[in-house]
Amino acid sequence: SQQGEEDPQALSIQEGENATMNCSYKTSINNLQWYRQNSGRGLVHLILIRSNEREKHSGRLRVTLDTSKKSSSLLITASRAADTASYFCATRPGSNYQLIWGAGTKLIIKP
Amino acid sequence: DADVTQTPRNRITKTGKRIMLECSQTKGHDRMYWYRQDPGLGLRLIYYSFDVKDINKGEISDGYSVSRQAQAKFSLSLESAIPNQTALYFCATSSEREGNEQFFGPGTRLTVL
Repeated sequence: SQQGEEDPQALSIQEGENATMNCSYKTSINNLQWYRQNSGRGLVHLILIRSNEREKHSGRLRVTLDTSKKSSSLLITASRAADTASYFCATRPGSNYQLIWGAGTKLIIKP
Repeated sequence: DADVTQTPRNRITKTGKRIMLECSQTKGHDRMYWYRQDPGLGLRLIYYSFDVKDINKGEISDGYSVSRQAQAKFSLSLESAIPNQTALYFCATSSEREGNEQFFGPGTRLTVL
């Protein structure tokens, strides 16, 4: 019973372009987190946004959160080949300490 | 050195065999998790532990058991492996003091024939 759904499932863009991925979820949350996974490897935390925040930046990453629409977006600006990976959103529902994961967006950056 | 380590990294076994996957961490985190990942799917939680005396079932605990031997060690066992347990298994840790972001091990690729 996965809470998060990423959209699109796959995205292929040219190096230097911006990449936008979306995440929708079903229940109220404490926070939402984005992770990156390089092929077959462990996930790496990118950014956490709390339910009372609307936007957050970290380097080339920009995350927005719309709790009224139960959705979040991850924008990667000026993409690089090294950004090729799968990106997952994970939500922490309410007071529950577990994370609920989406199925991920596979991002391919073409040189 | 990696903060979260998993052994073995790859394992091929036969149906019915008992398998143990081990996880160790040097981050000093109190919370540890076991997940499985299947192709095209996100992570699914198998078990989690918030301290040495605390063990909780996750979404898909049937067919699995765990042991939290120490704060730094959390092992996952498959008592009698079956082919549909073929997957990539990840251990993760977190700390409420650090915002509950999770830190992952490199994964164990398990194949059950």
